[in-house]
Amino acid sequence: GAGVSQSPSNKVTEKGKDVELRCDPISGHTALYWYRQRLGQGLEFLIYFQGNSAPDKSGLPSDRFSAERTGESVSTLTIQRTQQEDSAVYLCASSREVEVQETQYFGPGTRLLVL
Amino acid sequence: GDSVTQMEGPVTLSEEAFLTINCTYTATGYPSLFWYVQYPGEGLQLLLKATKADDKGSNKGFEATYRKETTSFHLEKGSVQVSDSAVYFCALTRSNDYKLSFGAGTTVTVRA
Repeated sequence: GAGVSQSPSNKVTEKGKDVELRCDPISGHTALYWYRQRLGQGLEFLIYFQGNSAPDKSGLPSDRFSAERTGESVSTLTIQRTQQEDSAVYLCASSREVEVQETQYFGPGTRLLVL
Repeated sequence: GDSVTQMEGPVTLSEEAFLTINCTYTATGYPSLFWYVQYPGEGLQLLLKATKADDKGSNKGFEATYRKETTSFHLEKGSVQVSDSAVYFCALTRSNDYKLSFGAGTTVTVRA
């Protein structure tokens, strides 16, 4: 079946603008995760969803970042008043359940560049 | 906090060479350990995993053994192919957690 998809694949924006990044998880996956990868660094956890609830937002770097999810489907990560340090690849993953043993399946990512 | 340190790249090899990518970790308790791979133009894929000490994960000719005494999970392949060219990430989750903590990634290029 289809894997995790993300859009747009690339986004260039000006400092101070808002951006929305979209993730479509694998059908039937209840858990959805957002990660960020800045150049030359490993992935940082941002937030996860169990269904449409986000129990752990501890990884969001500032209050400019927010995310929502509609049921067990699409999720949107919004960054308000973007800054240059927000430039990164934003990766979404999904898994059947929120369990340590469940494999997380990753999308191709959205490459965000803030000028 | 939890952290993963892996060998810096880039690594360039000839076909049929032996590949080792070192990975060490710092974590409380008994983490699960993973290797993910990202082929050019594709998303991250799970390559292999090990969930307890002395477990060996293997897939596509790659192997890694969970060594608690040395807090390591080194990735090895005996004979690489051009198609193994990719970025490899070592990662862990704590025993009671689901969040993946990743290393910085190692870029591997295999020449024909």
